[in-house]
Amino acid sequence: NAGVTQTPKFRVLKTGQSMTLLCAQDMNHEYMYWYRQDPGMGLRLIHYSVGEGTTAKGEVPDGYNVSRLKKQNFLLGLESAAPSQTSVYFCASSIITGLADYNEQFFGPGTRLTVL
Amino acid sequence: DQQVKQNSPSLSVQEGRISILNCDYTNSMFDYFLWYKKYPAEGPTFLISISSIKDKNEDGRFTVFLNKSAKHLSLHIVPSQPGDSAVYFCAASAYTDSWGKLQFGAGTQVVVTP
Repeated sequence: NAGVTQTPKFRVLKTGQSMTLLCAQDMNHEYMYWYRQDPGMGLRLIHYSVGEGTTAKGEVPDGYNVSRLKKQNFLLGLESAAPSQTSVYFCASSIITGLADYNEQFFGPGTRLTVL
Repeated sequence: DQQVKQNSPSLSVQEGRISILNCDYTNSMFDYFLWYKKYPAEGPTFLISISSIKDKNEDGRFTVFLNKSAKHLSLHIVPSQPGDSAVYFCAASAYTDSWGKLQFGAGTQVVVTP
């Protein structure tokens, strides 16, 4: 099993350009998440999905859109990139048992995005 | 406003000694807490967790302590090894939040020296 994979690993954009980050998981997890990590800020949730065809906003959703057309894929789009979106982006997935148990999220290796 | 805070951005410890990482939270609805470990150029990986019904959880060299009244948790690593050099993130979840969202702290960089 590959776990959670992210494409691409690195990308440089100019202000105003668009791009899509792809996340794929082969663990049959229902829940998927997109985070961004900035220095001194930890990981902040951008958008998440609780199943195929569903998405919801997280803590910092502005400037991003997402789609979950297939259970195993979660796409993060930037329609018009801004320098403030320079960050490392992590995708994660998890399975929720519905019990009072922990919610372990499995993370991909990250995408380092620079917007000039 | 960050609801999970790790006030020590870095920690240096000698190999074989104890590493103690601290985490504070402000949201009383949090009832599950996790620690993640992150190496450079990799994604975070789950390390250990604790439910609010417990005050201690051990897994090998790693122990997490929870003090609910103080809204404080700590991670102890004994003994520290060079491979423990990484960034450690504290995270919290509210079970009532059924979407499983996690709030992360800013992380603590641990360096284990020989």
